[in-house]
Order: sequence, then C-alpha cells, then structure tokens
Amino acid sequence: GDSVTQMEGPVTLSEEAFLTINCTYTATGYPSLFWYVQYPGEGLQLLLKATKADDKGSNKGFEATYRKETTSFHLEKGSVQVSDSAVYFCALLHGTASKLTFGTGTRLQVTL
Amino acid sequence: GAVVSQHPSRVICKSGTSVKIECRSLDFQATTMFWYRQFPKKSLMLMATSNEGSKATYEQGVEKDKFLINHASLTLSTLTVTSAHPEDSSFYICSAERGREGIEQFFGPGTRLTVL
Repeated sequence: GDSVTQMEGPVTLSEEAFLTINCTYTATGYPSLFWYVQYPGEGLQLLLKATKADDKGSNKGFEATYRKETTSFHLEKGSVQVSDSAVYFCALLHGTASKLTFGTGTRLQVTL
Repeated sequence: GAVVSQHPSRVICKSGTSVKIECRSLDFQATTMFWYRQFPKKSLMLMATSNEGSKATYEQGVEKDKFLINHASLTLSTLTVTSAHPEDSSFYICSAERGREGIEQFFGPGTRLTVL
C-alpha cells in the first residue's frame, strides 16, 4: 500500500538557518503530494502541494519539488524564523477516494 | 474561507461513558468529512470517511460500533466514542473536503480526549 517516510525529528535550527526536511513515498502511479504544518494547539494547515512530477510547490518561503525518479518531496526553506517552529507532515493523496496518507511528522524548533 | 471547527477542544471522561465530538465546516459545504486519530509522536491515522446522508466507511481495524459517525448535514459530522476506555485517549482530528474539489482537505483544530 501507499506509505510516506519522513526524517525523524526534532530538528533544531538557529534563526536564518537553511532547512531541509526529507520526505519519500511509496505509491503506484502518480499521487499528489502535500506538506501540512501544525502549529502548537492548532489544526493542520496546508503549506504547499504538487500534483505531478517536476511540479514545485511553494508558500511562505517554503518549497518542495515532486521528484518521481527518487519518489521524494523534500521540504526546504532558505532562512527559517522562530515563527516556523511547528510540526511538518508530508502526505500523499492517491486514487479517487480522497484518502490522505501521512508521514509521522517532523517537529521543527527554531531558536534565536 | 474554508474553516473547520471542532467541539469540544478537550474532554475528560470516565471509563465506560460515551463522548460526542462535533466537526463543522463553517463557511462551506462539505460533502465528505474524514476522521483521524493522532497518537503521540506518530502520524495521523485515518479512521473513517463520512459522506453526507450515507453510512461512514471505516478503515480496517476501526470498530464501527465503538466509533459511531454521523454526517447528518453538509456542514456537520459527529464522532461518538462509545463506552470509552483509557486506550481510547487520543487526539481526534476531522477534516472536510469542500464540494467535490477532491484535492484539498481542510482540517479542524482537533479534540484531545482523555479517558480516566
């Protein structure tokens, strides 16, 4: 079945550091890929998405490129801020049933 | 737009009682809603898919009689945890699909259930 693997956290960075959170997936065909962010005490929010190979999703300085050849969708940001501290979930959507498959989440802690 | 609310945000109950959690789409109609369970330091696990006016579709391993789901209107779905036990303590999250767009789900803030 479908699965998503994320790097384990927590990831601790200083403000303005470069961020990479790795995400790889297993699925047949061409799923849509997502990054969701969960701020403390809040629900998940869609951060960015890509629906086909080589698409780049971007939002709020975050980027991720849908790499079919490596089945990856790594999240990057050039300069993180304290306000980016949250849990980040990689997910895929496959098939017509709208079922999202999530990774385990990666907690990011940004310090001054 | 596309706001989903959940009520209550936290609930503590005694073992053996039932608890109802509401999920509402506040500014759009949701033909499909989803219920997830999130364990500490683990991912969200889909419990069931709820379509307005029809029976919910449960994922393998989820007890239908334990977790009752009702999607009575296009803006409201409820999850009732019946005869709750301490192992049911968890974070329950709902999401809603706007219309038939399919590609994006909007998530509620979650409900923390603690069963004593």
